[in-house]
Parts: sequence; structure tokens; C-alpha cells
Amino acid sequence: NAGVTQTPKFQVLKTGQSMTLQCAQDMNHEYMSWYRQDPGMGLRLIHYSVGAGITDQGEVPNGYNVSRSTTEDFPLRLLSAAPSQTSVYFCAAGGQTSGYTFGSGTRLTVV
Amino acid sequence: ILNVEQSPQSLHVQEGDSTNFTCSFPSSNFYALHWYRWETAKSPEALFVMTLNGDEKKKGRISATLNTKEGYSYLYIKGSQPEDSATYLCASPNQAGTALIFGKGTTLSVSS
Repeated sequence: NAGVTQTPKFQVLKTGQSMTLQCAQDMNHEYMSWYRQDPGMGLRLIHYSVGAGITDQGEVPNGYNVSRSTTEDFPLRLLSAAPSQTSVYFCAAGGQTSGYTFGSGTRLTVV
Repeated sequence: ILNVEQSPQSLHVQEGDSTNFTCSFPSSNFYALHWYRWETAKSPEALFVMTLNGDEKKKGRISATLNTKEGYSYLYIKGSQPEDSATYLCASPNQAGTALIFGKGTTLSVSS
């Protein structure tokens, strides 16, 4: 049982490049979220989804897009990477009363 | 935006000490309160999900209490061990109950 799978684990981008961080879950959770972790800032919510076809913005959505075409997949897109997007990104799936399972994280560096 | 606050920011204790941390959250429109343990270079792992006022949950030497009326939760660690060294996060669902908002965490360091 894989839980939540994130790819890639590491990525270096040049400013202005685009990329997609992949997230897949096999637990059939309706709720999925993306977070970024920065020193001293904890986990900040970027975007979230409550089911296929439904997404919404979190605390820090600017510069990121998401889509949810299936229950399993919730990719995060950076359209034009900026150095301020250098961070560690976590995907999570779960529910408000069942707890969330996190992926292993993606360490992104934008140069 | 929901505001979840944790204190202290960091804590250093000796092996065998007992310790506790605080999480405060808005008491209105309460859904649940989550605690996670986050070890360095790993992903956060769920410790407790608490939903009822007065709830107390326990896992080994770690326990948590919840007061939804005043908007706070305590996490207790009895007889701290070096392997308890981690960042402890609390989180509360947003106003719609559709995503978790995290506090900045309390980083515990236990020396042997």
C-alpha cells in the first residue's frame, strides 16, 4: 500500500521554466492538499481539492495551478518558476476526522 | 485565514524529562484538531485527531488534551527520549472544513 506518492524527489529549475509536481494516492480520499515548507514558516497551504473536478486556493496560491481530474491524482503546476518558489513541497491526502497522509516531499530549487 | 498558534517555538530537554506544548486555534466553528510528528528528513505523520471537547488521547508516552470552548490543545510527552526529538505540528481544518491549516510547530530536542 503506497499511500501518497510524490515525484520527483528533487528538482532544479531555471527562472521562468515550468514544471509539474506529481501526486498520487491509493487510499480513495476525497480531500487532497499541497503545502510548501519554508524555514520558520511551517507548512503553508497552496491549493486543495475536495474531490475530482473541485479545487480551491489556500494561503499562498500565487504562481501555482492545480487540477483534479481523478480521485487519485492531484498535480501541482509551476507555470513560470521564480526563486521565491524554492522550497520543499508536500502533497497530502486525508480527511478532517481521519488524519492526513503525506507524501515524501519534493525539494525544488529555482536558480 | 484561520490562525493556528503553537508555543514554544522550540524546546530542549534532558532525557527523562516530561514536557508539554500548546496549540491554540479559533474556537468558533470547530471541526477537529490534529497533531502530527515530523522528524528531520521525513514527512509529517499523524499522531492524534481530536474532535470532542474534553477529549484526551494517548499513544505510548505521548498524550493530548482538547478544550474546544477556549480553543487550545496540549501535547504531553512523559519521560522524553532522544527518539522523541522532532517537530510537533498541530493543525485545524479551515472554515469550510476542507483543508488543514498548520501552526508553525514546536521543535523538541532531547539530549541523552
